[in-house]
Amino acid sequence: EAQVTQNPRYLITVTGKKLTVTCSQNMNHEYMSWYRQDPGLGLRQIYYSMNVEVTDKGDVPEGYKVSRKEKRNFPLILESPSPNQTSLYFCAVGTPNAYEQYFGPGTRLTVT
Amino acid sequence: GEDVEQSLFLSVREGDSSVINCTYTDSSSTYLYWYKQEPGAGLQLLTYIFSNMDMKQDQRLTVLLNKKDKHLSLRIADTQTGDSAIYFCEETLDGTASKLTFGTGTRLQVTL
Repeated sequence: EAQVTQNPRYLITVTGKKLTVTCSQNMNHEYMSWYRQDPGLGLRQIYYSMNVEVTDKGDVPEGYKVSRKEKRNFPLILESPSPNQTSLYFCAVGTPNAYEQYFGPGTRLTVT
Repeated sequence: GEDVEQSLFLSVREGDSSVINCTYTDSSSTYLYWYKQEPGAGLQLLTYIFSNMDMKQDQRLTVLLNKKDKHLSLRIADTQTGDSAIYFCEETLDGTASKLTFGTGTRLQVTL
């Protein structure tokens, strides 16, 4: 079964405390991406990766880092979280032509 | 990224048809997608249409594309309570996953 796993699903943290949200896939797809979802703004792309060691900025990359050391994992790193990064985060996995795209269940992050 | 706009909310009675609209700004979009997000879940791909098509039908779903007006719509026939969700349109600008833009999302409420 095609699966995109995100951890944790819920996280409450304080300003400045580094955190990592993990994303892993079992589909062997090249493309992985992170989005944040905010009310009235839809989904905005943070970073994406077209393959191992290939990452690029999306529309809202400020305050985030990613790495793609292996094909199945694409962690999202917040080095110094701030309250404006409180959001619902989704990892997506798919083919480079976007023909197939699968979303993880989401991670709800609250930064106080 | 380019702006993709949707109305925020739509309410329909069970059994009626729902029409969710989306306007986009980039005429070079190659693929356009519709996703469904149920409460507490990630996005699920519903259907897609290539830019060289005017219409696509898939069971209760009909997608209409008006390239001249840059207007995309999703019609759900015989709307059921299980169709209650947020619906997002998405465009790819160059046929790759590196240029994805989501709409703001339309919350569909189905009443009895």
